[in-house]
Amino acid sequence: EVQLQESGPSLVKPSQTLSLTCSVTGDSITSGYWNWIRKFPGNKLEYMGYISYSGSTYYNPSLKSRISITRDTSKNQYYLQLNSVTTEDTATYYCARVILLREGFAYWGQGTLVTVSA
Amino acid sequence: QIVLTQSPAIMSASPGEKVTMTCSASSSVSYMHWYQQKSGTSPKRWIYDTSKLASGVPARFSGSGSGTSYSLTISSMEAEDAATYYCQQWSSNPPTFGAGTKLELK
Repeated sequence: EVQLQESGPSLVKPSQTLSLTCSVTGDSITSGYWNWIRKFPGNKLEYMGYISYSGSTYYNPSLKSRISITRDTSKNQYYLQLNSVTTEDTATYYCARVILLREGFAYWGQGTLVTVSA
Repeated sequence: QIVLTQSPAIMSASPGEKVTMTCSASSSVSYMHWYQQKSGTSPKRWIYDTSKLASGVPARFSGSGSGTSYSLTISSMEAEDAATYYCQQWSSNPPTFGAGTKLELK
């Protein structure tokens, strides 16, 4: 079974870079689409972007200037970087996998809460 | 981007009661996914491609709809169904989620 696990700092200062890792077991990140999604304290879910099986990326236009998603296939991990964070980036961050868009986000990590505060 | 509007925002149901919640899209979409989330856990894919039940989802759940109007129905409410349900589309970029319907047990 595919399992995803987020890791990274739980506290980031304003204007700094938020960096998270998603470690994947049970499947290779060279298949499917590997995504980042976040949930704000008010319960709104926002899609952030993906890195595909081929290494191509897509970013939500609302974040396009601040976000980068990369991967290390040798470690079967992918990464999120979000630059110039503000308190409005405080959220629970999830990594999630899609095989086909028509099948939705079939697998999710447990989520990691990142607080942006001085 | 496509905006998904879920209603009601909050609802309660007694055991055995039929439950229906809706998701309205600002533009036509080809399919809709639904996720169940309970407090402190990550969302679980619940219904995908409008009407397909994810593995392990009880048969009392069903999904339907087309175009801009979709719904999730529980034929007979059980205590374990109390949760927040989110709809989600990826017919066009960026994928978007509804604000959720919180279902409580009466």
